[in-house]
Amino acid sequence: DTGVSQDPRHKITKRGQNVTFRCDPISEHNRLYWYRQTLGQGPEFLTYFQNEAQLEKSRLLSDRFSAERPKGSFSTLEIQRTEQGDSAMYLCASSFGYGYTFGSGTRLTVV
Amino acid sequence: SQQGEEDPQALSIQEGENATMNCSYKTSINNLQWYRQNSGRGLVHLILIRSNEREKHSGRLRVTLDTSKKSSSLLITASRAADTASYFCATVASLMETSGSRLTFGEGTQLTVNP
Repeated sequence: DTGVSQDPRHKITKRGQNVTFRCDPISEHNRLYWYRQTLGQGPEFLTYFQNEAQLEKSRLLSDRFSAERPKGSFSTLEIQRTEQGDSAMYLCASSFGYGYTFGSGTRLTVV
Repeated sequence: SQQGEEDPQALSIQEGENATMNCSYKTSINNLQWYRQNSGRGLVHLILIRSNEREKHSGRLRVTLDTSKKSSSLLITASRAADTASYFCATVASLMETSGSRLTFGEGTQLTVNP
């Protein structure tokens, strides 16, 4: 386990469908973060977990978005009723202290 | 919302030249970090500078921090074609009890190093 793994790498879905992404953090890291990045922009914070507790959610995280981190290990991010505006790269990061490690991201395209 | 601005938005230089990128932020910070992102990939941590530090070096990287101006700069010396990427600064707010140590990113600088 040398890094943060995200699955899938790419997802193409039709508008209105639900999608779920998975993130496997570095096992020793107690914090897990989700970010969203659109083309040409910096990543924007969505939510974060400390162990299994979801401690903060951004205003960007509408009711269609939900994230879980059962047992404080892997995390899932679900988007319900996808819209074209959801098309973006979804990045996961984990940390212990200030040492953040990012995964390669899941690129979502909503058609 | 984004923390601040990075300057320039794009920078094109020749191999061997130095590249300087600037970052401004808005809130009080605990630390500031610089990341690199190759096209379509995840972010790679480059260097972290704490709010009580003014300068830090790591290999060909030099970072400065001016908390009075709420700004930082990243200098890459003797650039290589492999340095071509987007570079982002990110801050961790000093009020950790409200920010949860999350990173707040700037808009990034696209660096192109021509062989």
